[in-house]
This record gives sequence, structure tokens and C-alpha cells, in this order.
Amino acid sequence: DIQMTQSPSSVSASVGDRVTITCRASQGINSWLAWYQQKPGKAPNLLIYTASSLQSGAPSRFSGFRSGTDFTLTISSLQPEDFATYYCQQGNSFPLTFGGGTKVEIK
Amino acid sequence: EVQLLESGGGLVQPGGSLRLSCAASGFTFSSYAMSWVRQAPGKGLEWVSAVNNNGGSAFYADSVKGRFTISRDNSKNTLYLQMNSLRAEDTAVYYCAKTFGGSGYSYGDYWGQGTLVTVSS
Repeated sequence: DIQMTQSPSSVSASVGDRVTITCRASQGINSWLAWYQQKPGKAPNLLIYTASSLQSGAPSRFSGFRSGTDFTLTISSLQPEDFATYYCQQGNSFPLTFGGGTKVEIK
Repeated sequence: EVQLLESGGGLVQPGGSLRLSCAASGFTFSSYAMSWVRQAPGKGLEWVSAVNNNGGSAFYADSVKGRFTISRDNSKNTLYLQMNSLRAEDTAVYYCAKTFGGSGYSYGDYWGQGTLVTVSS
């Protein structure tokens, strides 16, 4: 199975900050990686797919990047509605696997 | 507007069975693969199962293989998850998701609101 190692597990930041979350795949997954945002009590919401494609309706302050088996999600200027938990997920092969999540908290 | 509405969750004893349903609308259901993803209380997301658009191919996480069966009825625009031999560790909110990308299963672009399954005596 492909392991997705996500870091950090939590980050404290202020409105307007630039935030970067990293996910590392245990083996090559090409660009088959997605990023989701989840708020408490809600379903996950797709932000980025195929490593760097912005999902329709997702704000442009979210961006994704791939370097080999390392992937990053960047929020260019954190907004109040961005405080949530973020997950990466590989879609290269079964079983599909998620990272452990990163909770973005208010500093 | 795409809508996914799960139902069928509840309290069940260890060893029991439950069938979840996910009613889909707002898109051509028979054209898309579908998945189930679960989230135990206070924990992260775990992919459970996926089925291709015509129901001919199904995939499972090792943790549920042999106990859970995914199926779909394209005439009713409904996805199912039959869960047998339930264990305490199956306690979670179960989400259905419309999937796309790659082989068709890669990403969930629309998700239901989830249904809670609690396995306890």
C-alpha cells in the first residue's frame, strides 16, 4: 500500500499568513494527488486534484505543487474561512490512501 | 445541482449487519464510479470501497474485504454498502462520494453529508 505522510499535523497561523502543508508518498504516484478541506461536522471538500489543478469553485489562493513524490498545498493569504483540517489523498492505485491531516488553527 | 444523500446508519451490535444507501441526483449517475469513505470519531479519513460506473468492478480496503460489499442500481441512481460482521472499529461516519480522474476512481468531487454507524453492545 502507498503511505501518505502529511506534515505538519497542526499549524497555528494568522489571517493573511502564507501556509504550506506537505505530503510525501512512499512510492511514485505520478501526479495522482488531491487535497481536501474539511470543517467540523462537514464532508470533505475537494480543493486541488492531479497535484496542481484547482477544483471549480475553489478560491485561487489555494495552489498545489509536485516535486517527485513530494507534494505541497499552499494557502497564499489565509482567510478566516480557511481554518479547517486539510487532507491529501493519492489516487494512483488501490487502496486509495489519505494523509493523516493537518489542522490549521488560529494563532 | 449534484446531491448525494446517505441513509441507513444507526446502532448495531458487534457481529451484526447494516446496509447503507446513497441516493444520487443532479448528474448522470451511470457515467461515474462511486466510492465510500469513512471517518472514525475524531480521526482522519479512510477509503473503504469503490465501484465502477456499471457495477462490474469493485475494490475494497483490506480492513473490510470479505465483510463489506459495494453495489449500485443505476436504474434507481443509488449506491449501496452492505456491511456484515461489524466490529467496534467500524464505528464511523460513512460518506459516499462521486469520483473522477485517472481510472475513474481517483478523486471525490462531490460528497454526501455522511451517515453515522455505531457498532456497540
